[in-house]
Amino acid sequence: GEDVEQSLFLSVREGDSSVINCTYTDSSSTYLYWYKQEPGAGLQLLTYIFSNMDMKQDQRLTVLLNKKDKHLSLRIADTQTGDSAIYFCAESKSSASKIIFGSGTRLSIRP
Amino acid sequence: EAQVTQNPRYLITVTGKKLTVTCSQNMNHEYMSWYRQDPGLGLRQIYYSMNVEVTDKGDVPEGYKVSRKEKRNFPLILESPSPNQTSLYFCASSLRTGELYGYTFGSGTRLTVV
Repeated sequence: GEDVEQSLFLSVREGDSSVINCTYTDSSSTYLYWYKQEPGAGLQLLTYIFSNMDMKQDQRLTVLLNKKDKHLSLRIADTQTGDSAIYFCAESKSSASKIIFGSGTRLSIRP
Repeated sequence: EAQVTQNPRYLITVTGKKLTVTCSQNMNHEYMSWYRQDPGLGLRQIYYSMNVEVTDKGDVPEGYKVSRKEKRNFPLILESPSPNQTSLYFCASSLRTGELYGYTFGSGTRLTVV
């Protein structure tokens, strides 16, 4: 079946790197996503990666995909207080009618 | 501004009183979907629509109805709300099914059923 799992909480010190991990079960996934949800707001697409890629970098964000282990990670360099949010890992297939979301990881920043 | 607009943002209602949560998008998107978000469960799809007059059940459709009479609107109807439908609801849209990397979410509707 389809499932996406991620840990519920992560706490990092301001200025350090944050690494949020995710595992998924569907090996036929075509797209893998990271969404960010700030308090009181909807989900905002941060980045996505195609399943035929290993890595994608966009400014402070680096996405790593290990397709063999079905493991996706999001690294946020130089974490700032504005990065405090819930981060959702998600996956879908190209023919899909939905995106499967994980439970979300709440990232909190320590001074 | 390209957006998905949901109304209301907050709603408290009583068990059994029919309600409708509206969703409208101004991007000419074909695909629209409703999710509910519950603590520890992430987002679960309720219903989706691939185009006008085409709707289908998601993972948790019980107790909900939808309609898609026009491309821009996709209302979520709770005919007889119950307390287990207390949740945070999100509407989302995408240009086409299968191009879900263009998913745009509304700001959410927090529903409490007492």
